[in-house]
Amino acid sequence: SYELTQPPSVSVSPRQTARITCSGDALPKNFAYWYQQKSGQAPVLVIYEDNKRASGIPERFSGSSSGTMATLTITGAQVEDEADYYCYSTDPSGNQYVFGPGTKVTVL
Amino acid sequence: EVSLAQSGGGLVKPGGSLRLSCVMSGYTFSYVWMSWVRQAPGKGLEWVGRIKSLSDGGTVDYAAPVQGRFTISRDDSNDTLFLQMNNMKIEDTGVYYCRSGIDYWGQGSLVTVSA
Repeated sequence: SYELTQPPSVSVSPRQTARITCSGDALPKNFAYWYQQKSGQAPVLVIYEDNKRASGIPERFSGSSSGTMATLTITGAQVEDEADYYCYSTDPSGNQYVFGPGTKVTVL
Repeated sequence: EVSLAQSGGGLVKPGGSLRLSCVMSGYTFSYVWMSWVRQAPGKGLEWVGRIKSLSDGGTVDYAAPVQGRFTISRDDSNDTLFLQMNNMKIEDTGVYYCRSGIDYWGQGSLVTVSA
């Protein structure tokens, strides 16, 4: 079955830049989406269609995609950005969807 | 403002059944592709399945672990999405979320499968 790969954790100091990667063989053909999930809460869409910021998301969040890798970048990370981040995309058939395993972002 | 209100979670024994509902307000439900996503305790998000809008054929696709046991349906006249779960297994335990399109999520329903 199709899988997306993410690093388990990323640590960043406040006001520094964090980059979270997501690898998948079908990413050259399919969009990547990024969700933020804080403890005990429902996920929130951060980035859609590789690089479009969702409504209400701060400008410090950006997305990009090249080849088989998509990247979520937090430029000038804030303490409130501590959360789990999941990439999401479609398998090569276009009929199955998959989340990456998630990346825990720590800001300290 | 789009809102998704879920109901129907609870405790069920292995092999049992449960039905979740998700009522949408603030948008035209019939236009939207809807999905179910679950999260086992302490684990990541897992896509369960998706139903297209009827105008796009109403096709339903499922993740392999639930194929043949779970059924997703929709009632556009009542703006409601359903997840019928049969022959449930312990590994089906978790919080289940409905989602509209890619952006709006329900509050989550806790489902526990235990003897």
